[in-house]
Amino acid sequence: GENVEQHPSTLSVQEGDSAVIKCTYSDSASNYFPWYKQELGKRPQLIIDIRSNVGEKKDQRIAVTLNKTAKHFSLHITETQPEDSAVYFCAAKVNAGNMLTFGGGTRLMVKP
Amino acid sequence: NAGVMQNPRHLVRRRGQEARLRCSPMKGHSHVYWYRQLPEEGLKFMVYLQKENIIDESGMPKERFSAEFPKEGPSILRIQQVVRGDSAAYFCASSPPFNVAYTFGSGTRLTVV
Repeated sequence: GENVEQHPSTLSVQEGDSAVIKCTYSDSASNYFPWYKQELGKRPQLIIDIRSNVGEKKDQRIAVTLNKTAKHFSLHITETQPEDSAVYFCAAKVNAGNMLTFGGGTRLMVKP
Repeated sequence: NAGVMQNPRHLVRRRGQEARLRCSPMKGHSHVYWYRQLPEEGLKFMVYLQKENIIDESGMPKERFSAEFPKEGPSILRIQQVVRGDSAAYFCASSPPFNVAYTFGSGTRLTVV
């Protein structure tokens, strides 16, 4: 089955700096890669996603890049703000199935 | 659209009791997924269901755990004879057909004492 590794597990940045979270996946058949943000005690919420026919996608301060050859994808947050502090999860979906396999999460702390 | 509704939000059970967790998917969503999240850990897939069908239960423990999604009513995750190690947050997500964009519920936090 699919295996998703996520790094780093914790990330601390100063407000205004950029943050990058990286994920690798094992199944070359995976074709959908969402990112979820989970604030303390709350539900995971989709913040951005990318499909395998696209190399990069951007939404304001958030961007995701995908390298299918290397089987890795990354989340980039620019001009970080304290409200970006949360746990971020990457995930991957294998083409044949409908389930998402999640990475272990990254706890992002943005210091004011 | 009320979103994905889970209840109860918090559930306390003594060891050996049964826990029943409920999930009502978003309107128009016919696919339901259950995930378990241990404290400070990620989301582990448990089971994927469509109405009256279990599509994939590869993440479910072989004993004590079961899930259903009947024709009418919510999806139910049932844990029999709970043990302390079952304490976790259980999240349900739903998606429409042919679209894997999940919407998560607020979760049920199970505490076994």
